[in-house]
Amino acid sequence: EVQLLESGGGLVQPGGSLRLSCAASGFTFSSYAMTWVRQAPGKGLEWVSAITGSGSHTYYADSVKGRFTISRDNTKNTLDLQMNSLRVDDMAVYYCAKGKGGPDASDYWGQGTLVTVSS
Amino acid sequence: QSALTQPASVSGSPGQSITISCTGTSSDIGGYNYVSWYQQYPGKVPKLLIFEVSNRPSWVSHRFSGSKSGNTASLTVSGLQAEDEADYYCSSYTSRGPLVFGGGTKLTVL
Repeated sequence: EVQLLESGGGLVQPGGSLRLSCAASGFTFSSYAMTWVRQAPGKGLEWVSAITGSGSHTYYADSVKGRFTISRDNTKNTLDLQMNSLRVDDMAVYYCAKGKGGPDASDYWGQGTLVTVSS
Repeated sequence: QSALTQPASVSGSPGQSITISCTGTSSDIGGYNYVSWYQQYPGKVPKLLIFEVSNRPSWVSHRFSGSKSGNTASLTVSGLQAEDEADYYCSSYTSRGPLVFGGGTKLTVL
């Protein structure tokens, strides 16, 4: 059974940093791209970042480029998102999601972790 | 990356069919057969309904179908049921991306 468990969310002041993690199990982690998607309160889904299975290629939304860094450890089956220079509009539930194999779809999602940015 | 355009809301009666549109450009929907659709209930995790324009994962009912014409993708829900009331999101691979979501559509079953 595929499981994705996010952690690391919490309250942070504007300008601060936070590191999210996603522990994966139930599939061959290194074979699949992984994605972070966020959802601000009452808003729609926003793609944030993705990383290939090997970790050799990373991709970012313009809104987070230069501030967020995605990484993975295929020996520990973990996915991370380092978030720096956080802004109020970064406040959202952050989901990690497993790529289905193609460049479009994510077939399994974690339960999400809430990031609150407030002074 | 500009979001894909979806209607804010659609509605239908039980048993009817509804279609949700998702409009992009030649740089995303029109240029690639990599459109996905997700269903999300309030407070719940998104669930994949359709991938690669028209393919259904094994766990998805045949009442859900996807298609594409030009720069517009569509999700059709046939035989509408009360349990279909949820938010629906499209997404597409994009040359500027690699991924962009639509703004979401709230489906109301009357």
